[in-house]
Amino acid sequence: SQTIHQWPATLVQPVGSPLSLECTVEGTSNPNLYWYRQAAGRGLQLLFYSVGIGQISSEVPQNLSASRPQDRQFILSSKKLLLSDSGFYLCAWRTSGGKNEQFFGPGTRLTVL
Amino acid sequence: GESVGLHLPTLSVQEGDNSIINCAYSNSASDYFIWYKQESGKGPQFIIDIRSNMDKRQGQRVTVLLNKTVKHLSLQIAATQPGDSAVYFCAEIMFSGGYNKLIFGAGTRLAVHP
Repeated sequence: SQTIHQWPATLVQPVGSPLSLECTVEGTSNPNLYWYRQAAGRGLQLLFYSVGIGQISSEVPQNLSASRPQDRQFILSSKKLLLSDSGFYLCAWRTSGGKNEQFFGPGTRLTVL
Repeated sequence: GESVGLHLPTLSVQEGDNSIINCAYSNSASDYFIWYKQESGKGPQFIIDIRSNMDKRQGQRVTVLLNKTVKHLSLQIAATQPGDSAVYFCAEIMFSGGYNKLIFGAGTRLAVHP
């Protein structure tokens, strides 16, 4: 069966510090991968998606970047965090060319102070 | 622009009652919709989906209704239980830039009282 992992689960970082959040998927090959951000009490905003290794599409201009160094690994990064980067970051995957359903990871709660 | 939204931000129900969560969408070209449940501090979980060529689909204790005429989607939960307390999101599939993307609504919080 497929599983998706995210770490860390929670993170508190000072403004101006770098960021690296990791997401890995097991049990599937060539998945479509997604990064979402969720502000407190709000819906999900799509940040990045990837259909293959090294391919990244950005949905909104921001202080963040994404990379996909391996087929089942998706990384969210920042060189210098802003206060507005605080939120709940969710990674998701779906089968390439398959059903439209996306499966979400457990999320990372990021607080920038 | 195109969007998916919800009528009610919060819904309170008594345990055992039926719950109805509503969603309006504006992209008439959308042909696939999903309901997700998100418990506090966790990622969203798939509940049920429906294609635009259907107007009703049933799962275990849940039913999704789609009214394409008024672009309205609803999630019905039968015999609501405390474990159903969560935020519920509707989402539509939008084909953009050569890829399918999920566009989420703002969410409705369901509070189940004993």
